[in-house]
Amino acid sequence: NAGVTQTPKFQVLKTGQSMTLQCAQDMNHEYMSWYRQDPGMGLRLIHYSVGAGITDQGEVPNGYNVSRSTTEDFPLRLLSAAPSQTSVYFCASSYTQGLESPLHFGNGTRLTVT
Amino acid sequence: KQEVTQIPAALSVPEGENLVLNCSFTDSAIYNLQWFRQDPGKGLTSLLLIQSSQREQTSGRLNASLDKSSGRSTLYIAASQPGDSATYLCAALDRGSTLGRLYFGRGTQLTVWP
Repeated sequence: NAGVTQTPKFQVLKTGQSMTLQCAQDMNHEYMSWYRQDPGMGLRLIHYSVGAGITDQGEVPNGYNVSRSTTEDFPLRLLSAAPSQTSVYFCASSYTQGLESPLHFGNGTRLTVT
Repeated sequence: KQEVTQIPAALSVPEGENLVLNCSFTDSAIYNLQWFRQDPGKGLTSLLLIQSSQREQTSGRLNASLDKSSGRSTLYIAASQPGDSATYLCAALDRGSTLGRLYFGRGTQLTVWP
């Protein structure tokens, strides 16, 4: 059982470049989300989804887009990378929409924007 | 807005000690509270989830309690081992809106030395 899989593990971008962080889960979870983790700031919610075709903004959505065409996949797109987006990004999923079940995390993508 | 605080930010203890990690939240109308463990360079792993109707949950050497009225949760680790060294985070599920949102503390970094 793979759980939540994130790719790539590491990425370096130049300012202005775009890229997609991939996230896939094989647990048939309804809820999926993206967080960023920064020193001194803790975990902050970027976007989340409660099912295929349904997405919504979290606490820090600017500069990021998401889509959920299937239950399994929830990619995060950086439209035009900025140094302020240097961070560790985590994808997380839960069985239920309302987060009554535990949240499962991927191992993260460490992104550096120069 | 829910605010979650964890004290202390760091803790260093010798092997074998029983220890308590603290988590406080400002809004007592939470739906559940989760404790996570994060190892360096890894994602978060869910340890225990306490529903708002429960007072405590136990898993092996871990025991988590919840007191909604005082806005506090504690994670008790019995007979600590070097392998327990990690950062421990708590997260409160707020159900102020239709769908829940998790609010994370910034974690307690635990070091258990032999």
